[in-house]
Amino acid sequence: AQSVTQLGSHVSVSEGALVLLRCNYSSSVPPYLFWYVQYPNQGLQLLLKYTSAATLVKGINGFEAEFKKSETSFHLTKPSAHMSDAAEYFCAVSNGNNQGGKLIFGQGTELSVKP
Amino acid sequence: DTGVSQDPRHKITKRGQNVTFRCDPISEHNRLYWYRQTLGQGPEFLTYFQNEAQLEKSRLLSDRFSAERPKGSFSTLEIQRTEQGDSAMYLCASSRPGDEQFFGPGTRLTVL
Repeated sequence: AQSVTQLGSHVSVSEGALVLLRCNYSSSVPPYLFWYVQYPNQGLQLLLKYTSAATLVKGINGFEAEFKKSETSFHLTKPSAHMSDAAEYFCAVSNGNNQGGKLIFGQGTELSVKP
Repeated sequence: DTGVSQDPRHKITKRGQNVTFRCDPISEHNRLYWYRQTLGQGPEFLTYFQNEAQLEKSRLLSDRFSAERPKGSFSTLEIQRTEQGDSAMYLCASSRPGDEQFFGPGTRLTVL
């Protein structure tokens, strides 16, 4: 079985500060890992994905994440927060093409950005 | 716009009524997924189709829920005899096999 744990349901940073959102996963097979962003009353938008290639993954809007197998982690970072980054962020895991590629999501982390 | 679309965006119904939601995937995607998201939680997988075949259903999908994808294109999700606990955002996503999923805007259901 696969699962995802996001540490911290709410993170608050100042504009221009480093953003760090934590995600740990559990998987009995090599995982595919994803970060999605959700703005209020909207669907989910893919930020980035890890599919067993490079362990440092760059995504949209200046975000990146590093896959660390030894730590079973896939933390999301951005060097400098912008007001427009305020949203809900979800980490997700799948088996790739196995089991239909269904996604197992974490509980989410709400990011607030202070001016 | 050639993204995933869902209709309606909002639905308010009374307990005990039946509701049906529609999802139109990206045209070349043969996989279609339904998820449910309650307030403050991450989306939970409900079911998925490959073409017209429904290949997996979650335990969350009780007998009151039924999903179809009759021609391998759009899909419908019906909830019979709605309960207040059914209030949630219902999200649809589509993909090619092994590729990332693209999500629609969701249908927010409120059961009074």
